[in-house]
Amino acid sequence: QLQLQESGPGLVKPSETLSLICTVSGGSISNNYYHWDWIRQPPGKGLEWIGSIYYSGSTYYNPSLKSRVTISVDTSRNQFSLNLNSVTAADTAVYYCARYTKVAAAYNFDYWGQGTLVTVSS
Amino acid sequence: QTVVTQEPSFSVSPGGTVTLTCGLSSGSVSTTNYPTWYQQTPGQAPRTLIYITDTRSSGVPDRFSGSILGNKAALTITGAQADDESDYYCALYMGSGVWVFGGGTKLTVL
Repeated sequence: QLQLQESGPGLVKPSETLSLICTVSGGSISNNYYHWDWIRQPPGKGLEWIGSIYYSGSTYYNPSLKSRVTISVDTSRNQFSLNLNSVTAADTAVYYCARYTKVAAAYNFDYWGQGTLVTVSS
Repeated sequence: QTVVTQEPSFSVSPGGTVTLTCGLSSGSVSTTNYPTWYQQTPGQAPRTLIYITDTRSSGVPDRFSGSILGNKAALTITGAQADDESDYYCALYMGSGVWVFGGGTKLTVL
């Protein structure tokens, strides 16, 4: 069974960089049928897609966050990561990593991590 | 910037039918947006209900169905049950690898 697990600091200071890692277990990250995404949810609010990465390293980002976001992949560790710089309180959210599948044209985010709350505060 | 619109809240009686919609601030939703519907309960990650407009994900009861109605994507729940009380999010593919989620609909069953 595929599992995704987010890890990283739960508290980040304003203007600093938020860094999270997603570890994938039970399957390989190196597969062209999937890409690996970050999605966030501010407390009490809706979901916001942040961006995605293929194992090859190709990335796609939310235009509204693109200037501050970097997503990278480490296939040797079966991990992908999120860096969001110059954070403000508005970046406080539960951050989810998720797998997006194209297998059998079933285009959807089919596996999600449990989510990790990151609070931006001094 | 493209905004995906959903009703903020909806209420349905047990056994009743409700249709939630997912639109675009500019333009119409089509099958090429690969409309996807997710259900989220408090403290949990979302789970897929419907993908590519009208295909139910594995294990999803057939009381959930998806469609295009007019210029919007729609999620219909026929015979609502108490445990359908959740937040529902649609997601649309906007091209160039970009996905946008709607603001979500809080469904109450009472």
